[in-house]
Amino acid sequence: DAGVTQSPTHLIKTRGQQVTLRCSPKSGHDTVSWYQQALGQGPQFIFQYYEEEERQRGNFPDRFSGHQFPNYSSELNVNALLLGDSALYLCASSLGQGGGTDTQYFGPGTRLTVL
Amino acid sequence: ELKVEQNPLFLSMQEGKNYTIYCNYSTTSDRLYWYRQDPGKSLESLFVLLSNGAVKQEGRLMASLDTKARLSTLHITAAVHDLSATYFCAVPPTGTASKLTFGTGTRLQVTL
Repeated sequence: DAGVTQSPTHLIKTRGQQVTLRCSPKSGHDTVSWYQQALGQGPQFIFQYYEEEERQRGNFPDRFSGHQFPNYSSELNVNALLLGDSALYLCASSLGQGGGTDTQYFGPGTRLTVL
Repeated sequence: ELKVEQNPLFLSMQEGKNYTIYCNYSTTSDRLYWYRQDPGKSLESLFVLLSNGAVKQEGRLMASLDTKARLSTLHITAAVHDLSATYFCAVPPTGTASKLTFGTGTRLQVTL
């Protein structure tokens, strides 16, 4: 049973560029959430996708956008990169949008460095 | 705005000793999660606490939840080196299991 997978593992970009991160949820899961974890801090919720729509969003600017595909996989896009966007980006999958008791299972993350 | 605080932020303890990590949150929620993170790695789910008074145990770790006090504890019994990691508690808004707000994390170092 494959867990949550993310690609790429590491990424180096320069300020102003755009980046796309990818996530495949755990088998049987239909909901994907994205989190940003800066060094030495806890993860912060970016947004959640369910049925190919953004359902919930955290306090992140519009430069952060996403997409969910019919196979439940998801992409996170960040435009006009800033130095402060350097972080570990974690994808989490779960079953059902909310109200359920299912734990969110996290992928290995993508380490983004912005120079 | 939901805020989650953990203490201590850093804990150095000897093998064989007991200790407790505390997690306080600011607004009502009906569940709480504990995760473990090893350096450079992702988050591993430890416990899901779903009701007031819930207690769960796995090996040397035991977690409890008091929703009235908005407090959860993670108790470590007879620590071993393998428990060295950063531990996070996370709380969602009431009625949902998503949009987690994480605590600041407690970095646990178990020494010989």
